[in-house]
Amino acid sequence: NAGVTQTPKFRVLKTGQSMTLLCAQDMNHEYMYWYRQDPGMGLRLIHYSVGEGTTAKGEVPDGYNVSRLKKQNFLLGLESAAPSQTSVYFCASSRDRVDYGYTFGSGTRLTVV
Amino acid sequence: SQQGEEDPQALSIQEGENATMNCSYKTSINNLQWYRQNSGRGLVHLILIRSNEREKHSGRLRVTLDTSKKSSSLLITASRAADTASYFCATASVSYNTDKLIFGTGTRLQVFP
Repeated sequence: NAGVTQTPKFRVLKTGQSMTLLCAQDMNHEYMYWYRQDPGMGLRLIHYSVGEGTTAKGEVPDGYNVSRLKKQNFLLGLESAAPSQTSVYFCASSRDRVDYGYTFGSGTRLTVV
Repeated sequence: SQQGEEDPQALSIQEGENATMNCSYKTSINNLQWYRQNSGRGLVHLILIRSNEREKHSGRLRVTLDTSKKSSSLLITASRAADTASYFCATASVSYNTDKLIFGTGTRLQVFP
């Protein structure tokens, strides 16, 4: 099925470890986004990309890095995980800016201990 | 900071009843979108209403937009147990960078059979 695939689905990290979350979409969408979702906070934008090779900061970018080397993939990296980064991470893609609905992945539940 | 604020935070109704949830926002917008999130899943796009539209329908969903009051409402008619989910509004603001959506904190809807 066409859509957005996130890997892994679950992960437990120790403080200070690093990891990369992968997002892949097969809809040829230009725009891709990483959000985190915390109880009572809704979704907050971490980073986003408006096309291959581009990235931009969102609302809460500190502690995260991203790369968009291929149009279909958007990677989110945590260089040195902290307990405050315990969250559910969602990737989304969009055909064009904000005039179309976003397609979301099923999420990655990350726990940092 | 959140652009959209949903009200109520939680809503419980019986099957067959109508459910209404509201979204208020702070700045001028290009469009407003509603999403549904089932427990443990990603968000699913429901409907988009543009700033020059006042009402839009999709199946059992009816969305209204009042730009003078900076508010929108989502009405689900003849609710079903399967409608149990969290509902989020998201805005594309002309005041902010319109390359991204800003999500509210959501309304949690429980529909009892």
